[in-house]
Amino acid sequence: EIVLTQSPGTLSLSPGERATLSCRASQSVDSGHLAWYQQKPGQAPRLLIYGAFSRATGIPDRFSGSGSGTDFILTISRLEPEDFAVYYCQQYGGSPQWTFGQGTKVEIK
Amino acid sequence: QVQLVESGGGVVQPGRSLRLSCAASGFTFSSYAMHWVRQAPGKGLEWVAVISFDGSNKKYADSVKGRFTVSRDNSKNTLYLQMNSLRAEDTAVYYCARDSWQLPSEYFQHWGQGTLVSVSS
Repeated sequence: EIVLTQSPGTLSLSPGERATLSCRASQSVDSGHLAWYQQKPGQAPRLLIYGAFSRATGIPDRFSGSGSGTDFILTISRLEPEDFAVYYCQQYGGSPQWTFGQGTKVEIK
Repeated sequence: QVQLVESGGGVVQPGRSLRLSCAASGFTFSSYAMHWVRQAPGKGLEWVAVISFDGSNKKYADSVKGRFTVSRDNSKNTLYLQMNSLRAEDTAVYYCARDSWQLPSEYFQHWGQGTLVSVSS
């Protein structure tokens, strides 16, 4: 099983600041098979990034994804009030085929 | 606009059964693979099951294999999850999610709002 480890567990930042979230895989992941989701309290997850770099429909360009192999990054260039949430990375291709990281909470400092 | 609406959750005793439904609208349901993903209270996300566009291909997480069955009725635009021999550790919000393609692929493009299943005596 490919284990995804996200860091930090919690990120305390102010609106307007830059957020950098890390997702490390226990084995190499095809870049095309790495996605990021945002989840707000009481809501379903929302797809942000797929294929490690591509923004989903309607996602603002302040969200960007990068990385390859075992290390992937989600960057939020300037935090807006609505960006404070939990973020999950997800990979496809291991066994089980779809696994998630444990999440990073971005909270208001 | 893609809409996925889950139903059928509730409180159930260990060992009993429950069937979840997910009503789809706003897209051609019969053209996409569909997934179930769950989230235990206060915890992360766990993929549960997937079914291909025509129902011919199904896969399950090891944690539910042999107990849960995914199915679909394309004439009713509805996805199902039959859950048997429920355990306390199955307690979670269950989300249905649409794939990006007709066969299982890399990510979950759209999600429903979820339905809560609580397994307790």
